[in-house]
Amino acid sequence: SQQGEEDPQALSIQEGENATMNCSYKTSINNLQWYRQNSGRGLVHLILIRSNEREKHSGRLRVTLDTSKKSSSLLITASRAADTASYFCATAIIQGAQKLVFGQGTRLTINP
Amino acid sequence: NAGVTQTPKFQVLKTGQSMTLQCAQDMNHEYMSWYRQDPGMGLRLIHYSVGAGITDQGEVPNGYNVSRSTTEDFPLRLLSAAPSQTSVYFCASRENYEQYFGPGTRLTVT
Repeated sequence: SQQGEEDPQALSIQEGENATMNCSYKTSINNLQWYRQNSGRGLVHLILIRSNEREKHSGRLRVTLDTSKKSSSLLITASRAADTASYFCATAIIQGAQKLVFGQGTRLTINP
Repeated sequence: NAGVTQTPKFQVLKTGQSMTLQCAQDMNHEYMSWYRQDPGMGLRLIHYSVGAGITDQGEVPNGYNVSRSTTEDFPLRLLSAAPSQTSVYFCASRENYEQYFGPGTRLTVT
């Protein structure tokens, strides 16, 4: 089964609201990353949080990491229609740290 | 910089045919990788390379070969296409831990 699993699988909110997506993983990690994928396009890196960090911000993005619960959350504040996309978490596991393991993604829809 | 480029964008193959998916990057990244993306499965790692002349298997390597003769290029070869290989294929290069993805190749095997 996947190392990273996102929750919910799909989320639909109104423009201006905040969107929260969660990611759980199984094994110890070096870092955790979030990526965005617009329909029919490649993935774009959003933010990286290291295993010794608990929270990180980038613009309207806020990522938290709880290594004791093996979980992370991505918060997008003041959502915009352009945020409509799929969001994936990816974990860089400590064993074989060259590999990133992706979750199945959360499909986010922002309604105008 | 063009970043990571992939060709072709679309391809239809018959079962048993072989083909090569091309991937190139102009960022001088040592690490490159190939993923396939299937509905509801996220991205799964096929093969990766940590530098010219060095490749290794990922999660789902069967039916695929790779080589890395230069830093820039990392082609993925399908030896004998099967319908189970119908998917979208993404190539990526990496600097530190941040991955840069190509636009993808949508492959259909009939």
